[in-house]
Amino acid sequence: QQQVKQSPQSLIVQKGGISIINCAYENTAFDYFPWYQQFPGKGPALLIAIRPDVSEKKEGRFTISFNKSAKQFSLHIMDSQPGDSATYFCAASPQGYNQGGKLIFGQGTELSVKP
Amino acid sequence: EAGVAQSPRYKIIEKRQSVAFWCNPISGHATLYWYQQILGQGPKLLIQFQNNGVVDDSQLPKDRFSAERLKGVDSTLKIQPAKLEDSAVYLCASSLNAVPNYGYTFGSGTRLTVV
Repeated sequence: QQQVKQSPQSLIVQKGGISIINCAYENTAFDYFPWYQQFPGKGPALLIAIRPDVSEKKEGRFTISFNKSAKQFSLHIMDSQPGDSATYFCAASPQGYNQGGKLIFGQGTELSVKP
Repeated sequence: EAGVAQSPRYKIIEKRQSVAFWCNPISGHATLYWYQQILGQGPKLLIQFQNNGVVDDSQLPKDRFSAERLKGVDSTLKIQPAKLEDSAVYLCASSLNAVPNYGYTFGSGTRLTVV
């Protein structure tokens, strides 16, 4: 069964610190790896995404690091701010026309940034 | 651009009752998804439509859940009869096509409580 495992379950970081969330996947047929941010009462919103032919992608304070051989990827949030406090989900999308668009999510990480 | 609209926002029903959720995707989005998000977990795909045809319903409990997308626009998800374990947030998402990075957008969801 296709799975994406995410850790830690919760994370507390001081303002200005670095938040790091890790994910591992089992199926090598995934070809798209997004990270989503979800605030209470809202749906997940795309934060940043990467494809497996790239080892790192940076957008502002958010960076994805991707290790294809280890089947792992991580989200780094630099200079974490209280407004970043939310639940973060990694996800993976499998290849194939009849799989197109399907997202398999990790269990989520609840991030709290203390002022 | 208007987002994905869902209604109702909240619903409380007794077990064995029926319930229906409605989703209006972003205009022009051919692909529509229903996800179930149980508290403390990541969203899980229930069903995916491409226009008004079903692409993937392998995770839909078909003995009690049904979904339709008439005319390839709005969609409804129904549960009949509901069980306690159906308590969750039901998220609708849409994308331009069955590719996850083509404007994939989630609605705010319907929170269902079965008592």
